[in-house]
Amino acid sequence: NAGVMQNPRHLVRRRGQEARLRCSPMKGHSHVYWYRQLPEEGLKFMVYLQKENIIDESGMPKERFSAEFPKEGPSILRIQQVVRGDSAAYFCASSSQEGNQPQHFGDGTRLSIL
Amino acid sequence: SQQGEEDPQALSIQEGENATMNCSYKTSINNLQWYRQNSGRGLVHLILIRSNEREKHSGRLRVTLDTSKKSSSLLITASRAADTASYFCATATIQGAQKLVFGQGTRLTINP
Repeated sequence: NAGVMQNPRHLVRRRGQEARLRCSPMKGHSHVYWYRQLPEEGLKFMVYLQKENIIDESGMPKERFSAEFPKEGPSILRIQQVVRGDSAAYFCASSSQEGNQPQHFGDGTRLSIL
Repeated sequence: SQQGEEDPQALSIQEGENATMNCSYKTSINNLQWYRQNSGRGLVHLILIRSNEREKHSGRLRVTLDTSKKSSSLLITASRAADTASYFCATATIQGAQKLVFGQGTRLTINP
C-alpha cells in the first residue's frame, strides 16, 4: 500500500520560470494538503483540497501560486515566475476523511531557485 | 505567531535514557498531533490525541494533553539511536480542523 507520492524529489528552476509539483495521495484518500517548510522551521499550511474543489487556501500567497486536485490524476501545486524566496521544501499530505484524522505526508519536493 | 511551540529546541541524551519534549499552544483545539521528521524526509505521524483525551500510548511513546494549560508532552522511553530526528507538534483548531499548525520542532539527538 503505497504512501503519499511526491515528484520530483528535487527541482531546480531559474528565476522567472514555472515550477510544477505533483502529489498522489494514499490510496483511498480524497483529502490533500500542501505545506511549505523553510530551513530549520516547522511546516506552514498552504492549501487544502478535495477532488475538484479548493476547500481552504488561506495559506497560499495571493499571486503566482495555484493548486488543483482534478478528478483524475495527482494534485498539482504550481508556482509561476519563481523568485529566490520560493526556495523551500514543499510537502503534500493526505487523509481519508475530515476531522480528527492523521495526515500522512510524502517525502516532499525540494525546490531550489537559481 | 506560531500556534504550537516546542520546548526545548534541541535535546541531546544518551541511548537508553528517556526523552521528554513539550508543546504549548494558544487557541482551542480539536486535536493535537505529534510527528517525527528525519533529515531530508517527510513527516511520520506518531500519535493523535483528541481534545477530550488526556493521555495516549503507542509502544515507547506516551503523549499527554492538558487543555487547561494548553500544553502537551511527548515522552520517548528507552531511547535508541534511531530515534534521532526532529519532532513536531501540530494542532488542528476547531474552526479549521483540516489545517495543521506546526511548531518549530525539537531536534533530538540520541548518543550511542
